[in-house]
Amino acid sequence: DGGITQSPKYLFRKEGQNVTLSCEQNLNHDAMYWYRQDPGQGLRLIYYSQIVNDFQKGDIAEGYSVSREKKESFPLTVTSAQKNPTAFYLCASSIGSRVELFFGEGSRLTVL
Amino acid sequence: RKEVEQDPGPFNVPEGATVAFNCTYSNSASQSFFWYRQDCRKEPKLLMSVYSSGNEDGRFTAQLNRASQYISLLIRDSKLSDSATYLCVVILSGGSYIPTFGRGTSLIVHP
Repeated sequence: DGGITQSPKYLFRKEGQNVTLSCEQNLNHDAMYWYRQDPGQGLRLIYYSQIVNDFQKGDIAEGYSVSREKKESFPLTVTSAQKNPTAFYLCASSIGSRVELFFGEGSRLTVL
Repeated sequence: RKEVEQDPGPFNVPEGATVAFNCTYSNSASQSFFWYRQDCRKEPKLLMSVYSSGNEDGRFTAQLNRASQYISLLIRDSKLSDSATYLCVVILSGGSYIPTFGRGTSLIVHP
């Protein structure tokens, strides 16, 4: 079955630690996105990539980093510079621009 | 002004009721529009695309009003299982075509 896989589903980290969230898709989609969702809030764009080896900052990129070395993979690193990293992180992909997004199941990060 | 705005609700309706949500967008050159459904602590899932001519899928009807810059979602004969948050998504033109999400409208259908 084609889809988007995010891991881990739940993650706890101590303050000051970096953590990397995995996002893999086998849909052959060109575009991939990372969103953050806080309780009762909408989705805010962290980074996006429309093609391999290229990515752009979204609205809230500070404290995050990404890479897009392969079409299938778009990992997100939450660095210690991110002031308030506890959130629900959603990865999505789309076949191109102006079309619908498909989401992974999300990763819930809690900083202790 | 936010790019995409929704009334957060909650809309509290009895089973069988008809309920409608609107979503306004600020960029008149917006290209594509979608409604997503998000259950508590889950990922958003595509409910339906919104076409210029309007479209219907069973009990759900989506409309686009470009003149007034809003999209709407109508749910007829509400079911308990329709309880969720409904997110509107607008893909803004201007080169990057990045999807922008509204904050969502919460719907609670009660017996």
